[in-house]
Amino acid sequence: GESVGLHLPTLSVQEGDNSIINCAYSNSASDYFIWYKQESGKGPQFIIDIRSNMDKRQGQRVTVLLNKTVKHLSLQIAATQPGDSAVYFCAEESDSSYKLIFGSGTRLLVRP
Amino acid sequence: GAGVSQSPSNKVTEKGKDVELRCDPISGHTALYWYRQSLGQGLEFLIYFQGNSAPDKSGLPSDRFSAERTGGSVSTLTIQRTQQEDSAVYLCASSPGGVVNTGELFFGEGSRLTVL
Repeated sequence: GESVGLHLPTLSVQEGDNSIINCAYSNSASDYFIWYKQESGKGPQFIIDIRSNMDKRQGQRVTVLLNKTVKHLSLQIAATQPGDSAVYFCAEESDSSYKLIFGSGTRLLVRP
Repeated sequence: GAGVSQSPSNKVTEKGKDVELRCDPISGHTALYWYRQSLGQGLEFLIYFQGNSAPDKSGLPSDRFSAERTGGSVSTLTIQRTQQEDSAVYLCASSPGGVVNTGELFFGEGSRLTVL
C-alpha cells in the first residue's frame, strides 16, 4: 500500500541556522508532493509543492528537493526563525487524484 | 467565507454519546474532505465529497461514523456512540475542484474531540 513517512519526529535547531526535514515515500508512481506546516491549534497550511518532473523547487526561504531514485523528499528552511516552529507534514497525491496521503509529521523546535 | 470554518472548536463528551461536527468550506469550493488527526499522528483520510455526493468513504473507521453535505456547501460529520479512541482533532478541508495537485487544498482549524 501507499505510505509516506518521516525519518525524524523532532528536530531542534538554533535560530538562524538552516533546517532540513526529511520524508520517505513508498509509491514510486506518485507525481505530486506537498509540504504543509501546522502550528499549534491550527490547521495545516500549504508551504510548497513539487511535481515528479522536477528535482528542486524554491520558495521564499524554503526549498523542496525530490530524489525519485531513492523516493526521498526534503524540505529545507533557510535562516530558521522562531515563527517556523511547527509540525511539518509531507504528503503525496494518491492514485486517486483527489486525495493526499500524509506522513506522520516532524516537529521543528527553534531555539532562541 | 474567507476560509474553512469548523465548529465546535472543542468538544468534550461522554463515552456513548453522539456528536456532530460542522464544516463550512470556502465559498464555491466543490470538493470537501474530512481528515482525522490523533495525538502526535499524521492526517488520516476519512471521506471526500464532490458536491453533495461522497464518491470515497473508504476512510470512515466504522459504521458509527457518517457524514453528509447539503447544498454543495456545509458538511456535518456525525459520530454515534462515541468511544475513547475517537478522541482526535477532526480537520475539514476544501478545494475548488477536487484535484489536489494544484496546491489548492485549504484546511480549517479543526474540531478537537475528547471522549471521556
